[in-house]
Amino acid sequence: GQQLNQSPQSMFIQEGEDVSMNCTSSSIFNTWLWYKQDPGEGPVLLIALYKAGELTSNGRLTAQFGITRKDSFLNISASIPSDVGIYFCAGPGNTGKLIFGQGTTLQVKP
Amino acid sequence: DAGVIQSPRHEVTEMGQEVTLRCKPISGHDYLFWYRQTMMRGLELLIYFNNNVPIDDSGMPEDRFSAKMPNASFSTLKIQPSEPRDSAVYFCASSLGVRGDYEQYFGPGTRLTVT
Repeated sequence: GQQLNQSPQSMFIQEGEDVSMNCTSSSIFNTWLWYKQDPGEGPVLLIALYKAGELTSNGRLTAQFGITRKDSFLNISASIPSDVGIYFCAGPGNTGKLIFGQGTTLQVKP
Repeated sequence: DAGVIQSPRHEVTEMGQEVTLRCKPISGHDYLFWYRQTMMRGLELLIYFNNNVPIDDSGMPEDRFSAKMPNASFSTLKIQPSEPRDSAVYFCASSLGVRGDYEQYFGPGTRLTVT
């Protein structure tokens, strides 16, 4: 079945550093979503991308819809402690249901 | 606006007992989803509703699981009888549409522990 692969699986960085993570698939997706999940909470939608090549920002977060439509990238600039959490990519599969990646766990050292 | 509301936030029960999880979607959203999250399997879609009608329940693990949506503002997920392997975090999410609008908004989840 369709799968989304996220890398890296986990990151441990220093406060103030920039962060990059990506999400790839062997099949084409027409929409990419990025969610963040804080410990003990539900995933929160950060950014939605609907067009190949699209670059969208939300504060210190920037996400890009890969031109091949098989990947997406999320960057966080000048990380702060509250950026800690699990970041998920998601996209609609062939059946229309959302498929989620396995997540990238981010830890930020003050 | 209030987000998706779930109750209870935590549930601890003994094997064999009935468990009922509750969800209130965002007002005006036509779609409601139930997910289960575990370390081993990540986020799994169990069932979703459109305009209160169940559309796809292929993710429901067994007949012990059932879900209802009696009206646009309330849904339940029931497990009867519960088993230890049902221990997980259960999320409810809602959206305006499945095709064309995939932006789902999640509730805070119910952490279920079955002993």
